[in-house]
Amino acid sequence: QVQLVESGGGVVQPGRSLRLSCTVSGFTFSSYSLHWVRQAPGKGLEWVAVISYDGSDKSYADSVKGRFTISRDNSRNTLFLQMNSLRADDTAVYYCTRERGSCPGEWGQGTLVTVSS
Amino acid sequence: QSVLTQPPSASGTPGQRVAISCSGSSSNIGSDTVNWYQQLPGTAPKLLIFSNNLRPSGVPERFSGSKSGTSASLAISGLQSEDEADYYCAAWDDSLTGHVVFGGGTKLTVL
Repeated sequence: QVQLVESGGGVVQPGRSLRLSCTVSGFTFSSYSLHWVRQAPGKGLEWVAVISYDGSDKSYADSVKGRFTISRDNSRNTLFLQMNSLRADDTAVYYCTRERGSCPGEWGQGTLVTVSS
Repeated sequence: QSVLTQPPSASGTPGQRVAISCSGSSSNIGSDTVNWYQQLPGTAPKLLIFSNNLRPSGVPERFSGSKSGTSASLAISGLQSEDEADYYCAAWDDSLTGHVVFGGGTKLTVL
């Protein structure tokens, strides 16, 4: 079955960087676009970024553009999110998802990122 | 303020049919498909419906989706207590650079 496992979350100071990873199994990784979605504590879902199946196309939410970079390694079935210049309002659970239709489909369990001094 | 508009709450009694609406615009729902998600307390969202009305394997037939123009709807028939959860809709928005937009979520209470 489809499995997505995020890692790399933790507590980080404002202005610092963090790199999230998502390892997947149960489907042909290189055939699917992948998304990152986040959810701040007690809030709704916020889309972060998407990368095409081969990594050639990427799109970002305005709130993270210029600070976050999505990438993938199809040889390692792994998705990444490099987060720089982190701010307090980036605090959230970050989910990686496989695309279904044009939107996030199946989700991982999430990894918590806390930005605090 | 979410781009897609959902009612903040909905409720029903066991066995009832409940519908949750999702309203958008020509740049999102009006031009692309809609997905629906269920999020139980303390858990990750789960895909319920994709491409407007398709159910992933394992999702009960009680859950169905539809779309008309710039609005979509999730219907749950034969409501059960375990359906009490938050429900979100999403669609691709092709304005500007293109991005996914979510509804603000609907808290479903089973009375």
